[in-house]
Amino acid sequence: ETGVTQTPRHLVMGMTNKKSLKCEQHLGHNAMYWYKQSAKKPLELMFVYNFKEQTENNSVPSRFSPECPNSSHLFLHLHTLQPEDSALYLCASSRSPWEGAYEQYFGPGTRLTVT
Amino acid sequence: AQSVTQPDIHITVSEGASLELRCNYSYGATPYLFWYVQSPGQGLQLLLKYFSGDTLVQGIKGFEAEFKRSQSSFNLRKPSVHWSDAAEYFCAFTGGGNKLTFGTGTQLKVEL
Repeated sequence: ETGVTQTPRHLVMGMTNKKSLKCEQHLGHNAMYWYKQSAKKPLELMFVYNFKEQTENNSVPSRFSPECPNSSHLFLHLHTLQPEDSALYLCASSRSPWEGAYEQYFGPGTRLTVT
Repeated sequence: AQSVTQPDIHITVSEGASLELRCNYSYGATPYLFWYVQSPGQGLQLLLKYFSGDTLVQGIKGFEAEFKRSQSSFNLRKPSVHWSDAAEYFCAFTGGGNKLTFGTGTQLKVEL
């Protein structure tokens, strides 16, 4: 397995469901990210983790709950979502910024549909 | 404010023709610049990056980009486009740190 993987690739959930998105990176990176990509809108950074610690929460509603148990794994727990939360959710990883490397590597995304 | 502008929302080129996608940034110092490509239903793939040094950088898939400080630009080029290059292209930058600022993307269509 190489790069950044995400599961599931597609998810349909009702507004009252609870589900989780999983991301795993095999690049030896120490920073991980969640982004939301909606049609006709710029890529939105949601959360940033450095060495398992959350360092950025971009005013994301509490119905999205991230978890980073170690530098290789990142989860996004979802509950009581709204239809406007339907989007492509992208995970990314990078070396830590103080290593002087800033490029991020993305997974294939999870296409989420909230019904 | 820090921002990235991709002025062209859609571009159509014929297969074999040359390509240039425009990117302008607004930032008070020299940024770290990137181009990413996204195929439908996929994540973003890094094409190339500029950190410092030579202002003409080479990337994967035959792409190159040129950093022009005087114009605050980082345009992406390819001498001969292939049908498989049809995708959405994103320019991004950071001043250092975790946060990348992305442009809104340019959708490339390739006519056979």
